[in-house]
Amino acid sequence: EVQLVESGGHLVQPGGSLRLSCAASGFTFKNYDMNWVRQAPGQGLEWVSYINSGSTAIYYADSVKGRFIISRDNAKNSLYLQMNSLRDEDTAVYYCARGMLGGSGSSDYWGQGTQVTVSS
Amino acid sequence: DIQMTQSPSSLSASVGDRVTITCRASQRISSYLNWYQQKPGRAPKLLIYAASSLQSGVPSRFSGSGSGTDFTLTISSLQPEDSATYYCHQTYSNIFTFGPGTKVDIK
Repeated sequence: EVQLVESGGHLVQPGGSLRLSCAASGFTFKNYDMNWVRQAPGQGLEWVSYINSGSTAIYYADSVKGRFIISRDNAKNSLYLQMNSLRDEDTAVYYCARGMLGGSGSSDYWGQGTQVTVSS
Repeated sequence: DIQMTQSPSSLSASVGDRVTITCRASQRISSYLNWYQQKPGRAPKLLIYAASSLQSGVPSRFSGSGSGTDFTLTISSLQPEDSATYYCHQTYSNIFTFGPGTKVDIK
């Protein structure tokens, strides 16, 4: 069974940093592209970042470019999101999502999400 | 960046109704368009990928069509469990974007 489990979310002050993790199991992690997607309270989905299977292609939303860093460790079946210079507007549930093979960039499995709250 | 719009923003329909949601991209995106369903407190669920391909396990009452800039998601016969918010999602550019969502309620 495919499982994605996010962790690392909690309350942080503006300007602070946080590192999210996503532990993958039930599939060959190294073969799949991955994404981070977030959802602010009461709002829609916002794509945050993408990394391909070999970490050779990395993309970011303009809203996080220069502040967030996506990475992965295929030996540990893990995806990460290093979040720096956090702002109030980064408050959201953060989901990791698996890129579907041959799925035109869609995400076929999602974690349950981890809550990040940025507040003083 | 490619902007996505959806209409309507919300709708209310009866069980058995045919429901259509439209999604428009600010520039041509070929068929790099996906549809997700999200219920409150839950992660999104992939329904349709590449504009018209039904994800495994998704009921056949869901269908997608379109190419270029205009896309539709159709629920052929609305069921109570289809009450949710639906999002389109483009993956044509290196900056992916979601539409604002369409909330579907059951009358």
